[in-house]
Amino acid sequence: AQKITQTQPGMFVQEKEAVTLDCTYDTSDPSYGLFWYKQPSSGEMIFLIYQGSYDQQNATEGRYSLNFQKARKSANLVISASQLGDSAMYFCAIEGGSYIPTFGRGTSLIVHP
Amino acid sequence: DAGVIQSPRHEVTEMGQEVTLRCKPISGHDYLFWYRQTMMRGLELLIYFNNNVPIDDSGMPEDRFSAKMPNASFSTLKIQPSEPRDSAVYFCASSFTRQGLDGYTFGSGTRLTVV
Repeated sequence: AQKITQTQPGMFVQEKEAVTLDCTYDTSDPSYGLFWYKQPSSGEMIFLIYQGSYDQQNATEGRYSLNFQKARKSANLVISASQLGDSAMYFCAIEGGSYIPTFGRGTSLIVHP
Repeated sequence: DAGVIQSPRHEVTEMGQEVTLRCKPISGHDYLFWYRQTMMRGLELLIYFNNNVPIDDSGMPEDRFSAKMPNASFSTLKIQPSEPRDSAVYFCASSFTRQGLDGYTFGSGTRLTVV
């Protein structure tokens, strides 16, 4: 079984500041992938970033980076230089050997001007 | 590519009626997934297909739910009869591979309300 925990139901950040969204996971699979998705108020789910469990480097995609700490089983998303358009729900997900992804309950991010 | 296309965007129906949700995946994507999102349960995988064949339907809540993929460019999720507790947003997603290194591409979802 695999599990994702996102403990922050809501986060607030000032525009242009950086923000970290927490994600911890649990899995018995030796190989797995971790994902982050963004869901704006319009409802669609947008893929942001992927981290493989054997990747040596932390994944980065533009202003998004994934702070992967394998020993702590955490995969936090860091958004640098927040923009108003970053206001959305953010979901962390894990995909193990069964290739059936499990999503967390999400964190709501509000960016203030 | 226009992305994953779902229809309708919104559906309001009366309890007991049949509901059919439709999905057109991205051309070339071999995997298609149906998810359901509710406040209570979050995002749940209902079923997924590989090359039009259903691989895992263990997430389908009960026999009232059925899904088909008659060809590579079309899938349906049917609920018959519908109940108020089926009210949710239903997402279809597709990907090139089973291990979503490039992530899954989601459709815009169908918001279903059963009254």
